[in-house]
Amino acid sequence: EIVMTQSPVTLSLFPGESATLSCRARQSVGSNLAWYQQKPGQVPRLLIYGASARANGIPDRFSGSGSGTEFTLTISGLQSEDVAVYYCQQYNNWPPLTFGGGTKVEIK
Amino acid sequence: QVQLVESGGGVVQPGRSLRLSCAASGFNFNAYGIHWVRQAPGKGLEWVAAILFDGSKKFYADAVKGRFVISRDNSKNTMTLEMSSLRGDDTAVYYCAVLGGPAGGSSFDHWGQGTLVTVSS
Repeated sequence: EIVMTQSPVTLSLFPGESATLSCRARQSVGSNLAWYQQKPGQVPRLLIYGASARANGIPDRFSGSGSGTEFTLTISGLQSEDVAVYYCQQYNNWPPLTFGGGTKVEIK
Repeated sequence: QVQLVESGGGVVQPGRSLRLSCAASGFNFNAYGIHWVRQAPGKGLEWVAAILFDGSKKFYADAVKGRFVISRDNSKNTMTLEMSSLRGDDTAVYYCAVLGGPAGGSSFDHWGQGTLVTVSS
């Protein structure tokens, strides 16, 4: 099983700032990594797949980067609607599919 | 539009069984693998099981292997998760989902609204 570790657990920023979320895999997953956003009380929504490809309808302030074991999700110009928990998921080597523990993004 | 609708959740005693269903519409159901992902109250996402587009292969998380069985009926656009020997740590919202990543890296990624399973005496 590929363990995914996300940091930080919580990120609190002012509106307009950039958020940098990290995801680390215990072994290489190539570029087979996705990022999901889950707003309070809502279903997860795909933001990024293939480590850097934005899903349909996702604003360009969301960007993904990285490969191998280190990945980053950047939210440029944080907005109040971006308050959510963000999860990374590897699909390079499954089963099992594995998710990180999540990063909660808050607005100050 | 794409819809995935789960049903069958509820309160069940430890050791008992429960069947969850997922009804799909708005897309070519028999072209996609389908997954179950669960989320315990206040916790993160945990993948549970998956079945290939034609039902030829099934995959399970270690935590549910031997207790849960996934199946699908492509003639009815439905999928089921038969859960047995339920335990307290199976308590969660269960989502059925088409996941873009395992499908070869795709933006086609859809989740149902989830159904809550509570295992309690």
